Amino acid sequence: NAGVTQTPKFRVLKTGQSMTLLCAQDMNHEYMYWYRQDPGMGLRLIHYSVGEGTTAKGEVPDGYNVSRLKKQNFLLGLESAAPSQTSVYFCASSYRPDSRKPSTDTQYFGPGTRLTVL
Amino acid sequence: AQSVTQLDSQVPVFEEAPVELRCNYSSSVSVYLFWYVQYPNQGLQLLLKYLSGSTLVESINGFEAEFNKSQTSFHLRKPSVHISDTAEYFCAVSPYNTDKLIFGTGTRLQVFP
Repeated sequence: NAGVTQTPKFRVLKTGQSMTLLCAQDMNHEYMYWYRQDPGMGLRLIHYSVGEGTTAKGEVPDGYNVSRLKKQNFLLGLESAAPSQTSVYFCASSYRPDSRKPSTDTQYFGPGTRLTVL
Repeated sequence: AQSVTQLDSQVPVFEEAPVELRCNYSSSVSVYLFWYVQYPNQGLQLLLKYLSGSTLVESINGFEAEFNKSQTSFHLRKPSVHISDTAEYFCAVSPYNTDKLIFGTGTRLQVFP
């Protein structure tokens, strides 16, 4: 049981390049999330998904796109990278122990992807 | 809207000393409360959470947090810290019936020998 895995671990891009970050989970979780972590700002939600084929915007969605074609995978895309997108990106997933109360979910995080945009 | 404030960005402490990491939140609706820990070069992992019932919750490694509704606080405490507790600690809230987890800016706990 690998939990939540992220690919790649590190990446350096030039301004304007595109890339896709892959998140995979083997816990059969319904919910998946993408966050970015910046110094002094904690984690901020970029996009999330409540199930296969669904996505929704978070707090800071601009410049990113996501797809959830399979339940176990959640992709984060940068179409035209900018230096402001230099950050550490975390993926997380969660299940719903109480279907009446989704916000009781514990989120399980991947190890992160460190992205630098020059 | 909800917000989480962690006033201390860094807390240095000697091994075996007590520690308190402060967390205050603001919300117009009821929330669930969480503490997550991030060890160096790792992702976040849940430390403890308050959903309902007793306002004092404990983790398996000796941390505890108390929910204080009147002061809208959820401070994290440990009576005696170890070197291995060195990490960044994030307080988070989740409003009832939402899919969102709102994080504070984190407190870096540095334990010295």
